[in-house]
Amino acid sequence: EAGVTQFPSHSVIEKGQTVTLRCDPISGHDNLYWYRRVMGKEIKFLLHFVKESKQDESGMPNNRFLAERTGGTYSTLKVQPAELEDSGVYFCASSPDNSPLHFGNGTRLTVT
Amino acid sequence: GEDVEQSLFLSVREGDSSVINCTYTDSSSTYLYWYKQEPGAGLQLLTYIFSNMDMKQDQRLTVLLNKKDKHLSLRIADTQTGDSAIYFCAERIYGDYKLSFGAGTTVTVRA
Repeated sequence: EAGVTQFPSHSVIEKGQTVTLRCDPISGHDNLYWYRRVMGKEIKFLLHFVKESKQDESGMPNNRFLAERTGGTYSTLKVQPAELEDSGVYFCASSPDNSPLHFGNGTRLTVT
Repeated sequence: GEDVEQSLFLSVREGDSSVINCTYTDSSSTYLYWYKQEPGAGLQLLTYIFSNMDMKQDQRLTVLLNKKDKHLSLRIADTQTGDSAIYFCAERIYGDYKLSFGAGTTVTVRA
């Protein structure tokens, strides 16, 4: 089966610009998660979708971040406007239930 | 929230055993995971253990859990150059979906 796919793999943008990250989960996985690793620190939870519904968005840093999962398939994470501290690696993961998560390769975001 | 801590670096000679340590804080029933991240790649699940177990072995990997001390370790036998990576310890409380990760241990295997 195809794994979790994330696009783009890298993105370099200037402060104040907008960036949209995309995640395609494994087909049939209702649960989709976004995580972020900033500056070599721990990987932190951002939010969790069950199908198209946001189950838990307690980890979203602020209202500059908007995640969507229309139709319960792929998800997007938009950062608008981007700030320097948003730089990091954004991971997406999916699972069919509460079994172990399957992670994508991540999107490395650099805000200059 | 849960705090998961790991040492940041480990250097090991090829063929030796590697031991990566992790401590966690939550005393609830919990799953504990080890993920591996190779350069440019995503997080690969290596193994996991539930908190009612003390040990789990899978080929070259051995996970030991000391519930009293809330200490988890991952032992890699006969370490190879392909084992060079960042290893993340993660915790998930039973009934919850979120993972709490440590900062990752960078393992460097030298010839």
